[in-house]
Amino acid sequence: DGGITQSPKYLFRKEGQNVTLSCEQNLNHDAMYWYRQDPGQGLRLIYYSQIVNDFQKGDIAEGYSVSREKKESFPLTVTSAQKNPTAFYLCASRGDRAQHFGDGTRLSIL
Amino acid sequence: AQSVTQPDIHITVSEGASLELRCNYSYGATPYLFWYVQSPGQGLQLLLKYFSGDTLVQGIKGFEAEFKRSQSSFNLRKPSVHWSDAAEYFCAVAKYNQGGKLIFGQGTELSVKP
Repeated sequence: DGGITQSPKYLFRKEGQNVTLSCEQNLNHDAMYWYRQDPGQGLRLIYYSQIVNDFQKGDIAEGYSVSREKKESFPLTVTSAQKNPTAFYLCASRGDRAQHFGDGTRLSIL
Repeated sequence: AQSVTQPDIHITVSEGASLELRCNYSYGATPYLFWYVQSPGQGLQLLLKYFSGDTLVQGIKGFEAEFKRSQSSFNLRKPSVHWSDAAEYFCAVAKYNQGGKLIFGQGTELSVKP
C-alpha cells in the first residue's frame, strides 16, 4: 500500500540533545512538508521541500533542520536550539493538489 | 494576511442528528480549500477538497461541503452523524505561491452523544 510512514511514534529528548524524526513516502510525490501541532493552536508549517536537494523554511523553522537527499525521504532534526520541542509532529506529501499525512511522531522532553 | 477561522472549538451532537461545522477563510485569490479529520493520536485524513467548479463537493464517509464565495465560507455537513465521527476536524486553505503550504484553522472537536 502506498503511504507515508513516520517513525518513531513516540520519542523522548534529553536536554541539549538533537533528535531526528523520520518521514518516508512511497507515493512518488515531489513535495513534502513538516508541521508541528500544539493543543489549541492547530498545525504550523516548519519546513517544506518541493524537489530533491531543495527545501524552504516555513513559519516556525527556528531550532529545526531538514534534508532532502532522496525523493522518498524528508527527515526532520529537532536541535537543542528548539527550546520548546514538546509537540506532535506531522509529515505530509502532496499529490493531486492535496496533502496526505503520516500518523505523526509525539516528541516529549525527559 | 491569509487565514482560516473555525468559530466553534467544540460541538456536541446526538447520534443520527445532522451536523454542520463552520469554516471561514480570508484569501485574495480563488482558494483551494480542504477539510481534514483527525482521531486522537493519529494523523490527518483528507475528507474532501475544493478547487473550482461545482460549489457543493462530496467527500468520504458521507460528508459534503459547500463553497460560498460571497460569505467566504466552506462549511462541512453530514446529514446523519455516527458515533465513529467523533474526532477533530480541520479546515485548511492552500497557498500555491508558497509551495502549496496549508493554512489551518484551529480545529473543531466533535463529540457524539448516544
